[in-house]
Amino acid sequence: QVQLKESGPGLVQPSQTLSLTCTVSGFSLTSYHVHWVRQPPGKGLEWMGVMWSDGDTSYNSALKSRLSISRDTSKSQVFLKMSSLQTEDTATYYCARVLSGDDYVMDAWGQGASVTVSS
Amino acid sequence: IQLTQSPSLLSASVGDRVTLSCKGSQNINNYLAWYQQKLGEAPKLLIYKTNSLQTGIPSRFSGSGSGTDYTLTISSLHSEDLATYYCYQYNNGLTFGSGTKLEIK
Repeated sequence: QVQLKESGPGLVQPSQTLSLTCTVSGFSLTSYHVHWVRQPPGKGLEWMGVMWSDGDTSYNSALKSRLSISRDTSKSQVFLKMSSLQTEDTATYYCARVLSGDDYVMDAWGQGASVTVSS
Repeated sequence: IQLTQSPSLLSASVGDRVTLSCKGSQNINNYLAWYQQKLGEAPKLLIYKTNSLQTGIPSRFSGSGSGTDYTLTISSLHSEDLATYYCYQYNNGLTFGSGTKLEIK
């Protein structure tokens, strides 16, 4: 079945770079787009960016200068890197796959990776 | 497009009909989805394109609306519907509403 799983460090120091991996199974990254969404503790959801199935990327304009999304199709992995982290970047980070035939509606989500930015 | 959800907190009893609202700052052209998020879990897709029910979602959930105003309705509230509900627009950029927390009386 379709699965996504985020992995990465739980703790990152301020000003450092966050690196997260989304490992997927049950579908191909060349057939489905994968989005990243984050959620600060007790707050709402924020769309971060997307790895399109053709390998192109799009980013939230508010994060674009700090954010990079890439992939390794041979390993079924999508990577998120975000630089210059601050305490307000403390959040749970989710990767999510879109509905079949859709570009933007996310129907399958990972469990989330909790990231704390603190010294 | 900014999304405003109301109310932010809703308390209702099992069996009640519940209506959640989502209003856009601009026309959303029906490109609106609803997600349910239970405590400690990832969001779950309920409705997309205003009124299309995601596979496996109970029929007590329904969506409606047009233009800037959209609604999620739960026809008969179940105890397991305790959650926060987010609307999400994908007409112009991608944004989520701030959520409606649904409590069971």
